[in-house]
Amino acid sequence: SQTIHQWPATLVQPVGSPLSLECTVEGTSNPNLYWYRQAAGRGLQLLFYSVGIGQISSEVPQNLSASRPQDRQFILSSKKLLLSDSGFYLCAWDGNTEAFFGQGTRLTVV
Amino acid sequence: GDSVTQMEGPVTLSEEAFLTINCTYTATGYPSLFWYVQYPGEGLQLLLKATKADDKGSNKGFEATYRKETTSFHLEKGSVQVSDSAVYFCALSATAGLHFVFGPGTRLSVLP
Repeated sequence: SQTIHQWPATLVQPVGSPLSLECTVEGTSNPNLYWYRQAAGRGLQLLFYSVGIGQISSEVPQNLSASRPQDRQFILSSKKLLLSDSGFYLCAWDGNTEAFFGQGTRLTVV
Repeated sequence: GDSVTQMEGPVTLSEEAFLTINCTYTATGYPSLFWYVQYPGEGLQLLLKATKADDKGSNKGFEATYRKETTSFHLEKGSVQVSDSAVYFCALSATAGLHFVFGPGTRLSVLP
């Protein structure tokens, strides 16, 4: 069966520090992968999606970037975090009939 | 483009009350429709879905019917429990699109 792993679960980082969040999928090949952000009390905002290795589409301009170095790996990064980057980050995989989500990463920038 | 609109809440109900969370959508073609639930501190889980007009999705006492004529997919439950307290997201998957489109989420609090 397909599973999606996301880590870390929580992260507290100082302003100006780098960020790397990792997401991996098991049990499928060539998945469509997504990074969403959920700010406190807000809905889901699509940040990036990827249809294949090295293929990244950005939905909104921001301080973040994404990479897909392997078929089932999707990484969210930042060189210098801002306070406004705080939020709950969710990785997702499009299984065609439904979307599957990781458990999320709670990022607090202090 | 495709979009989903839902009541943002928060919605506060007493246990055993009737729940309705409205959801309407705009999409080209015939999308599949979903309700996802997010419990505190967790990712999203699929609650129910419907893939064509007049389909009814149901799970854990929740129901939603795909109404093409009103472009709606309202979530209902006859008797809510404290454990239903969560954020509920309406979503669509467009037939010709790449990814899911989510509504803003509705926070539900059920009081004992």
